[in-house]
Amino acid sequence: AQSVTQPDIHITVSEGASLELRCNYSYGATPYLFWYVQSPGQGLQLLLKYFSGDTLVQGIKGFEAEFKRSQSSFNLRKPSVHWSDAAEYFCAVGGAGANNLFFGTGTRLTVIP
Amino acid sequence: GAGVSQSPSNKVTEKGKDVELRCDPISGHTALYWYRQSLGQGLEFLIYFQGNSAPDKSGLPSDRFSAERTGGSVSTLTIQRTQQEDSAVYLCASSLKGSGSYEQYFGPGTRLTVT
Repeated sequence: AQSVTQPDIHITVSEGASLELRCNYSYGATPYLFWYVQSPGQGLQLLLKYFSGDTLVQGIKGFEAEFKRSQSSFNLRKPSVHWSDAAEYFCAVGGAGANNLFFGTGTRLTVIP
Repeated sequence: GAGVSQSPSNKVTEKGKDVELRCDPISGHTALYWYRQSLGQGLEFLIYFQGNSAPDKSGLPSDRFSAERTGGSVSTLTIQRTQQEDSAVYLCASSLKGSGSYEQYFGPGTRLTVT
């Protein structure tokens, strides 16, 4: 069955500190992996995506993610967090023949001064 | 250009009433998706439209839910005889094509509250 697990419901980091958000997936075919960010009252914005090739992908706003097939993981990282990064982050998996994405339950990021 | 728009942004309705939620996708996008986001939950897929093909309704939770897409553009999600458990944010997304390799662009959502 297809599923995405984001084990951290809420993470608090200090501004300027590094960040890693965890994502594990289960998918029966070659996965396409996505990270979306949702600010309060806003829709979801795509941060980055992985389809194939280099397993380290760069996204917008200084985010990157690494695909590890052996661990079924696609963790999101940022070396230095800004206060404006406070939001909800969703990991999602899909595939070439899939009609929809499967989303995790999200990780809420709080940034403290 | 304009993104995905949804209306209304908020809707409060009484239990048992019917509601209609509207989605205007990005012009030229052939694929349209509806998702539901309940408190503390991820996004739950509801229905998918691709061009003139029959929609994928596999995510609709009950026969009280239906959706249509007119002229390959605007879509309306209808919930009949609303229940309190229908309270959620309903998100619409569109993509250039229906393949999983195309980015889905999301609207701001409609927050539905059933009292």
